[in-house]
Amino acid sequence: AQSVAQPEDQVNVAEGNPLTVKCTYSVSGNPYLFWYVQYPNRGLQFLLKYITGDNLVKGSYGFEAEFNKSQTSFHLKKPSALVSDSALYFCAVRDNNAGNMLTFGGGTRLMVKP
Amino acid sequence: DAGVTQSPTHLIKTRGQQVTLRCSPKSGHDTVSWYQQALGQGPQFIFQYYEEEERQRGNFPDRFSGHQFPNYSSELNVNALLLGDSALYLCASSWGTVLEQFFGPGTRLTVL
Repeated sequence: AQSVAQPEDQVNVAEGNPLTVKCTYSVSGNPYLFWYVQYPNRGLQFLLKYITGDNLVKGSYGFEAEFNKSQTSFHLKKPSALVSDSALYFCAVRDNNAGNMLTFGGGTRLMVKP
Repeated sequence: DAGVTQSPTHLIKTRGQQVTLRCSPKSGHDTVSWYQQALGQGPQFIFQYYEEEERQRGNFPDRFSGHQFPNYSSELNVNALLLGDSALYLCASSWGTVLEQFFGPGTRLTVL
């Protein structure tokens, strides 16, 4: 079975500082990894994905994520946080041996303070 | 180009009733997935439809059923509603080998 863990319910960071939102995963096959963001009363917006290749993936709005196979992690990062980045972030995994379903973590609320 | 659309936006039902939620995928997409997002939790996969058939199903009871139409739009039906069915129901669409799924705004279902 595939699973995702987001160990932090909330991350607080000051505007302009770098941010990291953590994600670890478990799959039996090779992972396809995703980050989504959810604003209040909205659906999920796709940020970035890792399929194969370069371990550092760049996505929308200046976000990037680093795939680490040995640590089974896929942490989301941004060099300089904006107040408008405040939202709920979800990490998701798809096991390439388990069909097309996405398994999501419980989410991490990012609070960026001015 | 319209993204994924869902209707209705909000819905209030009572226990034991039945509900139908609707989803229109993003233009050019042929695969529709449904997810349930309870308050304070991540989305959970209900099932996925492709070529008008259920291709994969998550750990949800038979009370949850669906349908996909020839135009790729989809319905989610829930029978014998329980209080625990109260959640945001998200529809996501995708196409072919493109792996990312694009989500609609969701339908907020409240069961009283």
